[in-house]
Amino acid sequence: KAGVTQTPRYLIKTRGQQVTLSCSPISGHRSVSWYQQTPGQGLQFLFEYFSETQRNKGNFPGRFSGRQFSNSRSEMNVSTLELGDSALYLCASSLGGYETQYFGPGTRLLVL
Amino acid sequence: AQSVAQPEDQVNVAEGNPLTVKCTYSVSGNPYLFWYVQYPNRGLQFLLKYITGDNLVKGSYGFEAEFNKSQTSFHLKKPSALVSDSALYFCASGGTGFQKLVFGTGTRLLVSP
Repeated sequence: KAGVTQTPRYLIKTRGQQVTLSCSPISGHRSVSWYQQTPGQGLQFLFEYFSETQRNKGNFPGRFSGRQFSNSRSEMNVSTLELGDSALYLCASSLGGYETQYFGPGTRLLVL
Repeated sequence: AQSVAQPEDQVNVAEGNPLTVKCTYSVSGNPYLFWYVQYPNRGLQFLLKYITGDNLVKGSYGFEAEFNKSQTSFHLKKPSALVSDSALYFCASGGTGFQKLVFGTGTRLLVSP
């Protein structure tokens, strides 16, 4: 089976812009979670979607949003980018429930 | 609130020696614990998990972890380290909202030849 794929892998934006990141889960996985990884804050949970519904949400401002499509692919959007949004954004997929999350390679976002 | 602590920023071990990467947890209810490894410019790779059952969990690449409820610990171990094991290791807890993982700060493992 193909693993979790994320596009793009690298992205450079300027402050105030918005960005959309994409995640394609492992075939058959209906749960998709997003995490932000930074040197200062470490790995932090953003949100989780299951069957197009957001089930869990982390402690991030409303500028961070996401959605999931009927084929389980997910996108996350960050509006009005700030320098502090520079990070590695990781997507993970699973079957849901108590099943293991498998991570994609991440999208590295640099905000200038 | 759940939390996971990794007390060591870095662990150094010689190739062929046993390694231990420490993790302690604080969760309400049943702990669901995971170990992931991250290589440079890569995502996280799943190593093993504890849900219930045997306290010794065996995982990928020869790694294992010991769940200790009384000490609230879930240390990662390997009998004989390889240079290729050098990477960043994360302990995580699933807790309530199982798919919402809470990660430790990570431990960098450096295995010298």
